[in-house]
Amino acid sequence: SQELEQSPQSLIVQEGKNLTINCTSSKTLYGLYWYKQKYGEGLIFLMMLQKGGEEKSHEKITAKLDEKKQQSSLHITASQPSHAGIYLCGADGLTSGTYKYIFGTGTRLKVLA
Amino acid sequence: NAGVTQTPKFQVLKTGQSMTLQCAQDMNHEYMSWYRQDPGMGLRLIHYSVGAGITDQGEVPNGYNVSRSTTEDFPLRLLSAAPSQTSVYFCASSYLLLRGAGELFFGEGSRLTVL
Repeated sequence: SQELEQSPQSLIVQEGKNLTINCTSSKTLYGLYWYKQKYGEGLIFLMMLQKGGEEKSHEKITAKLDEKKQQSSLHITASQPSHAGIYLCGADGLTSGTYKYIFGTGTRLKVLA
Repeated sequence: NAGVTQTPKFQVLKTGQSMTLQCAQDMNHEYMSWYRQDPGMGLRLIHYSVGAGITDQGEVPNGYNVSRSTTEDFPLRLLSAAPSQTSVYFCASSYLLLRGAGELFFGEGSRLTVL
C-alpha cells in the first residue's frame, strides 16, 4: 500500500472553478512537497511545507499542512487551462533514519476552456 | 545551466539485455535518486544516494543496480531487462537539508520499452 495517498485520482473542472487536491499520510510528515508534471515531462517543484498549520501560496495555488502534519491540501483558485497536468505530493523522512523520498499516486487535472 | 541530464531519452531493449541509464547533475547536489513512473502509480523510488560512495534501496529496487563514484553521476543499471521494467525513468537531485532532501530537481525522463 502507498504511504502517501492522494485524492482524487483525476479531476475535470471548468475554467474559472476552484478545486482541492488532498494528500494523506499514515505517519507524521517531516517535509511535504508539491510538484506539478506536464504530460510527458519532468516534475516541477511548487511548494514545500514543514511546520504544522503552515500555509503557502504562489499565484493562484495555495498549499496547507494540517496541525498534526499528516494531511496536506493543494487548492487552486479560478483554474485556468495552464493549470492542467499531474499534481504529486512527495515526502521524505517518513522512514526514520533514511532519506527515502516518496510520492503519492498523483492527481490528473484537466481544465476545460 | 544544464541541471539534471538523463540519457538516453528513448530506448528499446529485448528481454534479457542489459543497459545503463545515465544521469548527471552540475549543481553539486549531494542527494540523487532514480524513480520509475507507470500509469496510475505515481513515482516509485528505485535507489537513492546521499553522496559519493553511499547508496541505498528505495521502494522497488529489484532488477536494478546503482553506484555513485562521483558527486555528479548516478547511473542506473538494468542487468537483465524484463518486460515489467517498461516504464519512464526519472533521475532527480537536491541539496541535503538538516532533515530531508528538500526540493528535487528532475531530469526530462528516459522512456524504456522492453520487448
